[in-house]
Amino acid sequence: AQSVTQPDIHITVSEGASLELRCNYSYGATPYLFWYVQSPGQGLQLLLKYFSGDTLVQGIKGFEAEFKRSQSSFNLRKPSVHWSDAAEYFCAVGPLRDSKSGYALNFGKGTSLLVTP
Amino acid sequence: DGGITQSPKYLFRKEGQNVTLSCEQNLNHDAMYWYRQDPGQGLRLIYYSQIVNDFQKGDIAEGYSVSREKKESFPLTVTSAQKNPTAFYLCASRIGTGTEAFFGQGTRLTVV
Repeated sequence: AQSVTQPDIHITVSEGASLELRCNYSYGATPYLFWYVQSPGQGLQLLLKYFSGDTLVQGIKGFEAEFKRSQSSFNLRKPSVHWSDAAEYFCAVGPLRDSKSGYALNFGKGTSLLVTP
Repeated sequence: DGGITQSPKYLFRKEGQNVTLSCEQNLNHDAMYWYRQDPGQGLRLIYYSQIVNDFQKGDIAEGYSVSREKKESFPLTVTSAQKNPTAFYLCASRIGTGTEAFFGQGTRLTVV
């Protein structure tokens, strides 16, 4: 079955420290990959996406993600976290072909990021 | 500015009532989606529509209904058959396969 796993429910980092959020997927082929961020009570904002090509993808707000086919992973990273990065982060995958869901994105359960002073 | 507008932002429902959540987009996207978000559960697909006058059930469609009479609009009705409707509801749209989804700001529905 197709699935997206974010192993860490909560992560706490100090402001200025580096960050890595993990995402693993299980699909029959390489899907489209996304990272979204959600502030409390708000909708989701796209941070970055991977469709093909260079496996290191740059996004907004200083985030980047690396696609590793051998590990079925798409981990999100940031070299130096700011207090404003505290939010919920969702990894999502979009199937190449899925007539059962209209190509809807399949989301992980999210990782809540807390940034301490 | 183009985007997706959900209304209302907060909605309260009494037991046994049907309520309708609005979702409007001016992005000219063909596909639209409704997701339900509960704490620790991620986003679960309720209904989707790939074209006007056509829609399909997602993973948790029971107790919900939708319509797609116009390309811009995809309202969601939470019926009295939905036993646990308290949640955060998100509407999204995409121009087509292989693209990212754009989200509205969500509607928080609470049963009182």
